Amino acid sequence: GEDVEQSLFLSVREGDSSVINCTYTDSSSTYLYWYKQEPGAGLQLLTYIFSNMDMKQDQRLTVLLNKKDKHLSLRIADTQTGDSAIYFCAEIDSGAGSYQLTFGKGTKLSVIP
Amino acid sequence: EPEVTQTPSHQVTQMGQEVILRCVPISNHLYFYWYRQILGQKVEFLVSFYNNEISEKSEIFDDQFSVERPDGSNFTLKIRSTKLEDSAMYFCASSREGTDTQYFGPGTRLTVL
Repeated sequence: GEDVEQSLFLSVREGDSSVINCTYTDSSSTYLYWYKQEPGAGLQLLTYIFSNMDMKQDQRLTVLLNKKDKHLSLRIADTQTGDSAIYFCAEIDSGAGSYQLTFGKGTKLSVIP
Repeated sequence: EPEVTQTPSHQVTQMGQEVILRCVPISNHLYFYWYRQILGQKVEFLVSFYNNEISEKSEIFDDQFSVERPDGSNFTLKIRSTKLEDSAMYFCASSREGTDTQYFGPGTRLTVL
């Protein structure tokens, strides 16, 4: 079945850029998402990218997609302490008629002041 | 901005008891989902619901689970006879269409004693 893998922890200094990486196995993924989860809170959609795109930028967030390597990354520019959270990569293969999201385990981002 | 809401935020129950978790999806959304996250593990898909019937379900969603849209606004997940391993955070999500972005609620933490 589909699998999504992420590194579990990332620590950066405030003001630096953060890069969170994700790999997936489903070559027919149609949409890939990044969700953010703050302590005790739900899953907040950050951004998404369609599988026919290579890059998407949204203010401080840049998503890069390498379809050949099945690698997705999320870059957060000028990381702030408020960015400390768990970041989940998720994919959906709507081409198969399935609308279920498959999530990674999440990367815990710690921002050091 | 419209959002998905869930009640209660925390539910404690005894093993073998029935629980009902409630969700109010975003009002113009047509697809509804339940996911769960066992502590320290991935967010896992349980079930999707469209046009008053289950459209997809995972292996986790066995006969102990059921979903219902009892009125025009609520979407519920019932666990008939809870087990210790049902302890998890349960997230409701909704989307306008099956291929659209899924928006998540804040979750209900279920603790089975």
